[in-house]
Amino acid sequence: QVQMVESGGGVVQPGRSLRLSCAASGFTLSSYAMHWVRQAPGKGLEWVAVMSYDGSGKYYTDSVKGRFTISRDSSKNTLYLQLNSLRPDDTAVYYCASGGWLQFVDKWGQGALVTVSS
Amino acid sequence: QSVLTQPPSVSGAPGQRVTISCTGSSSNIGAGYDVHWYQQLPGIAPKLVLYGNSNRPSGVPDRFSGSKSGTSASLAITGLQAEDEADYYCQSYDSSLRGLGVFGGGTKLTVL
Repeated sequence: QVQMVESGGGVVQPGRSLRLSCAASGFTLSSYAMHWVRQAPGKGLEWVAVMSYDGSGKYYTDSVKGRFTISRDSSKNTLYLQLNSLRPDDTAVYYCASGGWLQFVDKWGQGALVTVSS
Repeated sequence: QSVLTQPPSVSGAPGQRVTISCTGSSSNIGAGYDVHWYQQLPGIAPKLVLYGNSNRPSGVPDRFSGSKSGTSASLAITGLQAEDEADYYCQSYDSSLRGLGVFGGGTKLTVL
């Protein structure tokens, strides 16, 4: 069964860090482009970061450049998003997702809620 | 403000047909990038309902259809059912964003 399970969300103070994990099963992460998409409370979807299937390309939306890092551990078939210097406007549900490069996303995690608040 | 523009809301009675538009520009839809559509129920991850402008993934009913022309695309749902009530997002790519996708702002479909 194809599945992606996220973990690592929680409540964190502004300026602190958090790492989200996305464990995949039923398929191999490194065969697909991997994405992080977030959704602030009551808002629409926003693309946060993408990693190409071979890991050579990593791109970020402007608001998180220099603060967030996408990575993966192929041995664990797990995708990560390291969130540093968190700000209140980073509060959102973060979804990991997989798909093609410059294509659609067809597999989604269940989402992990990150709340940045003092 | 989203790169792709969708109407905030549409509505229709059961059995009717509704359409949701998605308007972009020459750097995304007009540049030849495909448009994909997602359905999102409250509190649940998005689900792909159309890919490549008009293709349905396995399990999506043929009541869902899509088209693309120029810098715009649209999603049509015929024979509207209560279970179709959800938020719908169009998605494409933009030549200025190097691998990152772009979403429309989302459209809330209400089944009256």
